[in-house]
Amino acid sequence: EPEVTQTPSHQVTQMGQEVILRCVPISNHLYFYWYRQILGQKVEFLVSFYNNEISEKSEIFDDQFSVERPDGSNFTLKIRSTKLEDSAMYFCASSPQADTQYFGPGTRLTVL
Amino acid sequence: KQEVTQIPAALSVPEGENLVLNCSFTDSAIYNLQWFRQDPGKGLTSLLLIQSSQREQTSGRLNASLDKSSGRSTLYIAASQPGDSATYLCAVESARQLTFGSGTQLTVLP
Repeated sequence: EPEVTQTPSHQVTQMGQEVILRCVPISNHLYFYWYRQILGQKVEFLVSFYNNEISEKSEIFDDQFSVERPDGSNFTLKIRSTKLEDSAMYFCASSPQADTQYFGPGTRLTVL
Repeated sequence: KQEVTQIPAALSVPEGENLVLNCSFTDSAIYNLQWFRQDPGKGLTSLLLIQSSQREQTSGRLNASLDKSSGRSTLYIAASQPGDSATYLCAVESARQLTFGSGTQLTVLP
């Protein structure tokens, strides 16, 4: 069964550094998402992406964040200058239409 | 702003019991509602999706209902098993984004 994959599984970085989190959505899906979950807190929506552009974004998704679909298969989330409070589990999801969202296993980001 | 609440926060039951998890949401203008399972340190596994026009969905021992007008959904788990132990998350979709509850942490004791 097709799955959403994410790399790396764990990323450790220094405050102020740029990080890129990578996702490979399910191949025939059209909608792509990023969510995050700070330890012990709710899963929070960051951004949705369709037809090569952002369709919705939350207040969390400020100018430090960007998304890209560089090659038709990968979907990336870039954080330009990481802060301590960016430490969280980041989940990528995809859906075929306006339908079930399928989540990847997540990337645990630790900012020191 | 949509708010999703799940009750109870934690539940411990002996194996074999039937149980109900509750989810409520404040804005009834939703596109669909999804129930997920999350194991410790892992991703989210989709269990059931109910479209806003539907009243319930069933998958194996799971049955989810939706009352959109009252802003409520329930997840019914029949004949619970130790392997059902996990956190169950409810999420509502509107404006192409999911809003999640805090989850119910379920422990099924052998």
